[in-house]
Amino acid sequence: GDSVTQMEGPVTLSEEAFLTINCTYTATGYPSLFWYVQYPGEGLQLLLKATKADDKGSNKGFEATYRKETTSFHLEKGSVQVSDSAVYFCALSDPKGSQGNLIFGKGTKLSVKP
Amino acid sequence: GAVVSQHPSWVICKSGTSVKIECRSLDFQATTMFWYRQFPKQSLMLMATSNEGSKATYEQGVEKDKFLINHASLTLSTLTVTSAHPEDSSFYICSARATPPTQYFGPGTRLLVL
Repeated sequence: GDSVTQMEGPVTLSEEAFLTINCTYTATGYPSLFWYVQYPGEGLQLLLKATKADDKGSNKGFEATYRKETTSFHLEKGSVQVSDSAVYFCALSDPKGSQGNLIFGKGTKLSVKP
Repeated sequence: GAVVSQHPSWVICKSGTSVKIECRSLDFQATTMFWYRQFPKQSLMLMATSNEGSKATYEQGVEKDKFLINHASLTLSTLTVTSAHPEDSSFYICSARATPPTQYFGPGTRLLVL
Protein backbone atom coordinates (compact mmCIF):
# COMPACT_ATOMS: atom_id res chain seq x y z
CA GLY A 1 0.00 0.00 0.00
CA ASP A 2 0.88 3.66 -0.05
CA SER A 3 3.46 4.75 2.50
CA VAL A 4 5.72 7.58 3.58
CA THR A 5 9.25 7.21 4.90
CA GLN A 6 11.05 10.08 6.53
CA MET A 7 14.40 10.32 8.23
CA GLU A 8 14.44 9.44 11.87
CA GLY A 9 15.35 12.03 14.39
CA PRO A 10 15.99 13.68 16.55
CA VAL A 11 17.82 16.28 14.52
CA THR A 12 19.76 18.85 16.52
CA LEU A 13 21.08 21.97 14.83
CA SER A 14 22.55 25.27 15.83
CA GLU A 15 20.67 28.44 15.00
CA GLU A 16 21.18 29.60 11.39
CA ALA A 17 22.22 26.12 10.23
CA PHE A 18 20.85 24.57 7.05
CA LEU A 19 18.08 22.02 7.49
CA THR A 20 17.16 19.04 5.35
CA ILE A 21 14.63 16.43 6.40
CA ASN A 22 14.34 13.64 3.86
CA CYS A 23 10.99 12.20 2.84
CA THR A 24 10.24 9.55 0.24
CA TYR A 25 6.95 7.98 -0.64
CA THR A 26 5.40 5.03 -2.41
CA ALA A 27 2.06 5.42 -4.11
CA THR A 28 0.28 3.76 -6.97
CA GLY A 29 -1.25 6.97 -8.25
CA TYR A 30 -0.37 10.64 -8.17
CA PRO A 31 -0.73 11.83 -4.61
CA SER A 32 -0.54 15.31 -3.19
CA LEU A 33 2.32 15.74 -0.75
CA PHE A 34 2.39 17.68 2.49
CA TRP A 35 4.61 18.74 5.34
CA TYR A 36 2.94 19.27 8.70
CA VAL A 37 4.56 20.73 11.81
CA GLN A 38 3.61 20.04 15.42
CA TYR A 39 4.89 22.51 17.99
CA PRO A 40 5.06 21.35 21.61
CA GLY A 41 1.60 21.03 23.11
CA GLU A 42 -0.19 21.97 19.90
CA GLY A 43 -1.97 20.24 17.06
CA LEU A 44 -0.55 19.57 13.62
CA GLN A 45 -0.39 22.57 11.30
CA LEU A 46 -0.03 22.45 7.56
CA LEU A 47 3.38 23.87 6.69
CA LEU A 48 3.37 23.48 2.92
CA LYS A 49 2.08 21.27 0.16
CA ALA A 50 2.54 20.34 -3.50
CA THR A 51 -0.09 18.76 -5.66
CA LYS A 52 1.82 17.68 -8.77
CA ALA A 53 5.27 16.78 -9.99
CA ASP A 54 7.87 19.56 -9.95
CA ASP A 55 5.65 21.79 -7.80
CA LYS A 56 7.50 23.58 -5.02
CA GLY A 57 5.70 24.27 -1.78
CA SER A 58 7.05 27.04 0.43
CA ASN A 59 6.13 28.74 3.68
CA LYS A 60 7.98 30.51 6.50
CA GLY A 61 11.32 29.95 4.77
CA PHE A 62 10.73 26.22 4.35
CA GLU A 63 10.65 24.65 0.90
CA ALA A 64 9.99 21.23 -0.58
CA THR A 65 9.85 20.13 -4.21
CA TYR A 66 7.70 17.27 -5.46
CA ARG A 67 10.13 14.97 -7.27
CA LYS A 68 8.27 12.24 -9.10
CA GLU A 69 11.41 10.64 -10.55
CA THR A 70 12.87 10.06 -7.09
CA THR A 71 9.51 9.87 -5.28
CA SER A 72 10.78 12.42 -2.80
CA PHE A 73 9.59 15.56 -1.05
CA HIS A 74 12.52 16.68 1.08
CA LEU A 75 12.01 19.61 3.44
CA GLU A 76 14.67 22.34 3.47
CA LYS A 77 15.32 25.61 5.20
CA GLY A 78 18.37 27.74 4.70
CA SER A 79 18.69 29.16 8.20
CA VAL A 80 16.79 27.62 11.11
CA GLN A 81 15.71 29.46 14.23
CA VAL A 82 15.10 28.28 17.78
CA SER A 83 11.38 28.80 17.13
CA ASP A 84 11.51 26.10 14.42
CA SER A 85 11.98 23.44 17.09
CA ALA A 86 9.08 21.04 16.56
CA VAL A 87 8.15 17.67 15.10
CA TYR A 88 7.79 17.61 11.32
CA PHE A 89 5.57 15.11 9.52
CA CYS A 90 5.66 14.30 5.84
CA ALA A 91 2.34 13.05 4.46
CA LEU A 92 0.61 12.11 1.26
CA SER A 93 -3.00 12.29 0.32
CA ASP A 94 -4.20 8.89 -0.73
CA PRO A 95 -5.14 9.39 -4.37
CA LYS A 96 -7.51 6.43 -4.28
CA GLY A 97 -9.50 7.75 -1.36
CA SER A 98 -12.50 9.90 -2.00
CA GLN A 99 -12.04 11.96 1.12
CA GLY A 100 -8.41 12.87 0.91
CA ASN A 101 -7.17 10.56 3.64
CA LEU A 102 -3.67 11.40 4.77
CA ILE A 103 -0.88 8.86 5.21
CA PHE A 104 1.86 10.11 7.53
CA GLY A 105 5.51 9.42 8.06
CA LYS A 106 6.70 8.78 11.61
CA GLY A 107 7.75 12.36 12.21
CA THR A 108 11.15 13.95 12.73
CA LYS A 109 11.86 15.93 15.86
CA LEU A 110 13.97 19.02 15.26
CA SER A 111 15.73 20.82 18.09
CA VAL A 112 17.46 24.11 17.32
CA LYS A 113 19.97 25.37 19.87
CA PRO A 114 20.82 29.05 20.24
CA GLY B 1 -6.99 30.18 10.45
CA ALA B 2 -9.42 27.38 11.19
CA VAL B 3 -9.27 26.01 14.72
CA VAL B 4 -10.10 22.55 15.95
CA SER B 5 -10.34 21.78 19.64
CA GLN B 6 -10.29 18.50 21.53
CA HIS B 7 -11.53 17.76 24.98
CA PRO B 8 -10.18 16.51 27.25
CA SER B 9 -6.51 17.09 26.52
CA TRP B 10 -5.60 14.15 28.72
CA VAL B 11 -7.49 11.54 30.66
CA ILE B 12 -6.63 8.74 33.04
CA CYS B 13 -9.19 6.01 33.59
CA LYS B 14 -9.52 2.56 35.09
CA SER B 15 -9.59 -0.53 32.96
CA GLY B 16 -13.12 -1.44 31.91
CA THR B 17 -14.50 2.08 31.88
CA SER B 18 -15.50 4.09 28.83
CA VAL B 19 -13.99 7.39 27.79
CA LYS B 20 -15.47 9.99 25.45
CA ILE B 21 -13.29 12.40 23.48
CA GLU B 22 -14.80 15.42 21.76
CA CYS B 23 -13.54 17.08 18.60
CA ARG B 24 -14.95 20.47 17.64
CA SER B 25 -14.40 22.74 14.67
CA LEU B 26 -14.65 26.19 16.25
CA ASP B 27 -15.03 28.54 13.32
CA PHE B 28 -16.04 26.41 10.38
CA GLN B 29 -18.34 23.57 9.54
CA ALA B 30 -16.95 20.17 8.76
CA THR B 31 -18.98 17.44 7.12
CA THR B 32 -15.96 15.16 7.45
CA MET B 33 -13.75 14.60 10.45
CA PHE B 34 -10.97 12.09 10.91
CA TRP B 35 -9.74 10.23 13.97
CA TYR B 36 -6.10 9.23 14.25
CA ARG B 37 -4.11 7.32 16.80
CA GLN B 38 -0.44 7.94 17.47
CA PHE B 39 1.86 5.63 19.39
CA PRO B 40 5.18 6.91 20.73
CA LYS B 41 7.65 7.51 17.92
CA GLN B 42 5.11 6.22 15.42
CA SER B 43 3.09 7.70 12.59
CA LEU B 44 -0.41 8.96 12.94
CA MET B 45 -2.60 6.04 11.97
CA LEU B 46 -6.04 6.78 10.59
CA MET B 47 -8.68 4.98 12.62
CA ALA B 48 -11.88 6.16 11.01
CA THR B 49 -13.53 8.78 8.89
CA SER B 50 -16.52 10.45 10.47
CA ASN B 51 -19.26 11.88 8.28
CA GLU B 52 -21.95 14.14 9.64
CA GLY B 53 -25.29 12.39 9.79
CA SER B 54 -24.05 8.98 8.73
CA LYS B 55 -22.06 6.06 10.02
CA ALA B 56 -18.32 6.33 10.33
CA THR B 57 -16.03 4.45 8.00
CA TYR B 58 -13.46 2.43 9.92
CA GLU B 59 -10.03 1.45 8.71
CA GLN B 60 -9.10 -2.18 8.52
CA GLY B 61 -8.24 -3.61 11.91
CA VAL B 62 -10.09 -0.97 13.93
CA GLU B 63 -12.92 -2.38 16.03
CA LYS B 64 -16.01 -0.29 15.41
CA ASP B 65 -17.75 -1.63 18.52
CA LYS B 66 -14.83 -0.59 20.67
CA PHE B 67 -14.23 2.83 19.16
CA LEU B 68 -17.66 4.40 18.78
CA ILE B 69 -17.80 7.50 16.62
CA ASN B 70 -20.69 9.94 16.49
CA HIS B 71 -20.74 12.95 14.18
CA ALA B 72 -24.02 14.48 15.20
CA SER B 73 -23.45 18.01 13.97
CA LEU B 74 -21.29 19.92 11.52
CA THR B 75 -18.99 21.07 14.30
CA LEU B 76 -18.76 18.09 16.63
CA SER B 77 -17.54 14.53 16.41
CA THR B 78 -17.02 12.26 19.39
CA LEU B 79 -14.91 9.17 19.87
CA THR B 80 -15.86 6.84 22.70
CA VAL B 81 -13.40 4.20 23.75
CA THR B 82 -15.59 1.53 25.31
CA SER B 83 -14.37 -0.86 28.00
CA ALA B 84 -10.92 0.62 27.80
CA HIS B 85 -7.88 -1.52 28.50
CA PRO B 86 -4.23 -0.59 29.01
CA GLU B 87 -3.43 -1.38 25.36
CA ASP B 88 -5.82 1.40 24.38
CA SER B 89 -3.51 3.93 26.01
CA SER B 90 -2.37 6.22 23.26
CA PHE B 91 -2.52 9.73 21.80
CA TYR B 92 -5.73 10.33 19.87
CA ILE B 93 -5.86 13.16 17.34
CA CYS B 94 -8.80 14.40 15.33
CA SER B 95 -8.91 16.55 12.25
CA ALA B 96 -11.70 18.36 10.47
CA ARG B 97 -11.87 18.91 6.77
CA ALA B 98 -12.74 22.39 5.63
CA THR B 99 -13.58 23.80 2.20
CA PRO B 100 -11.44 23.96 0.08
CA PRO B 101 -10.33 20.54 1.27
CA THR B 102 -7.69 21.03 3.93
CA GLN B 103 -7.46 19.08 7.15
CA TYR B 104 -7.13 21.08 10.37
CA PHE B 105 -5.92 19.14 13.35
CA GLY B 106 -6.84 19.23 16.99
CA PRO B 107 -4.17 19.29 19.73
CA GLY B 108 -4.74 15.66 20.63
CA THR B 109 -5.95 13.75 23.67
CA ARG B 110 -3.63 11.58 25.69
CA LEU B 111 -5.38 8.55 27.17
CA LEU B 112 -3.87 6.43 29.91
CA VAL B 113 -5.75 3.34 31.00
CA LEU B 114 -4.66 1.87 34.30
